[in-house]
Amino acid sequence: QKEVEQNSGPLSVPEGAIASLNCTYSDRGSQSFFWYRQYSGKSPELIMSIYSNGDKEDGRFTAQLNKASQYVSLLIRDSQPSDSATYLCAVNIKAGYSTLTFGKGTMLLVSP
Amino acid sequence: GAVVSQHPSWVICKSGTSVKIECRSLDFQATTMFWYRQFPKQSLMLMATSNEGSKATYEQGVEKDKFLINHASLTLSTLTVTSAHPEDSSFYICSAPSATGGEQYFGPGTRLTVT
Repeated sequence: QKEVEQNSGPLSVPEGAIASLNCTYSDRGSQSFFWYRQYSGKSPELIMSIYSNGDKEDGRFTAQLNKASQYVSLLIRDSQPSDSATYLCAVNIKAGYSTLTFGKGTMLLVSP
Repeated sequence: GAVVSQHPSWVICKSGTSVKIECRSLDFQATTMFWYRQFPKQSLMLMATSNEGSKATYEQGVEKDKFLINHASLTLSTLTVTSAHPEDSSFYICSAPSATGGEQYFGPGTRLTVT
């Protein structure tokens, strides 16, 4: 059973702080990792993808991948109230048109 | 990024009727599309994988005779909920993988309410 685990939260941070979202996965063969943001009542929106160990930065977002520990994280710097959403971690085990396995998501609340 | 559309965005139907939801890739071709369902405050649940020119692959527990999927072209997949019941009320979302594979792009979703 391939699993992706996330803390459901909510994770509450004040505006301007760094939010740290974590995800672990069970299949050691997983190759591609994604973070999606989902606002209430909306569909998921891709915000980050990462394929190799280390950090990947895009604006205020940094994705971190550690395949040895089967761990992927998302850091959001200078958190804004508009970042309040559910963040979904998704994994697929091979490149190409493979099915994504989603975690249950972590709700982030950024207070003004 | 790639754009995926869905129609309708919301629909209300009576119990026992059928509802068709369309999913289109607007600026790219998709031989594969995915259909998800999401109940309130729950995560995405993959229902089926739609394959252009062949039968869909359904996840365990999803009734293929109730949720009919047709991938008629490289840009269109449809999901028909047959004989809908109130428990089918949910948020239905489709997605298509990028041309390079890996990431999926989601449509805006269809909210179905069965009365």
